[in-house]
Amino acid sequence: QVQLQESGPGLVKPSETLSLTCTVSGGSISIYYWTWIRQPPGRGLEWIGYVHNSGFSNYNPSLKSRVSMSVDTSKNQFSLNLSSMTSADTAVYYCAAGNTGFSVLYWGQGTLVPVSS
Amino acid sequence: QTVVTQEPSLTVSPGGTVTLTCASSIGAVTSNNFPNWFQQKPGQAPRTLIYGTNNKHSWTPARFSGSLLGGKAALTLSGVQPEDEAEYFCLLYFGYGGVFGGGTTLTVL
Repeated sequence: QVQLQESGPGLVKPSETLSLTCTVSGGSISIYYWTWIRQPPGRGLEWIGYVHNSGFSNYNPSLKSRVSMSVDTSKNQFSLNLSSMTSADTAVYYCAAGNTGFSVLYWGQGTLVPVSS
Repeated sequence: QTVVTQEPSLTVSPGGTVTLTCASSIGAVTSNNFPNWFQQKPGQAPRTLIYGTNNKHSWTPARFSGSLLGGKAALTLSGVQPEDEAEYFCLLYFGYGGVFGGGTTLTVL
């Protein structure tokens, strides 16, 4: 069974770029579609986008200009970069995995990223 | 961007049956929207119950089922248990990507 663990900074300053990594165990980094989802405190979920090992990616249009995702097969990790962070980006960020680009089957525990100076 | 709408809250008695729905602002939900359903309890990460309209995860209890109903995606709980009290989110996919519904708070009372 696939297990996912997010890692990254505990705090980001406004205008900086958020970089998060998700480490995968129990499954092949090559066959799944790797998704990022976020949840502002006390609010609902927002789909950020996904990336596949083939290089194919699909991003939320509202975030597309600021988002990039990649897969590092040598480390069994995938990553999210989100630039020009503001307080509106404060959220718990989840990494997730699906067997297609249209499914989310496994979730990480999530990591809270506050944006504050 | 497309808006995905869920009932804000529902209440059900233990042992009862309840159906949660997930609607799209641009028209009927179909299997091509690949509806996913997730359960989230306070302080926990969501966990997947249903994907691809009606496919259950290995850990999804038999009392949960997914379907399409009246132009919406639906999640039906039959024989509700107290531990089913939680927030439920749907996720629909469109040509440009995924959109979550606002969530349904299910109270078992």
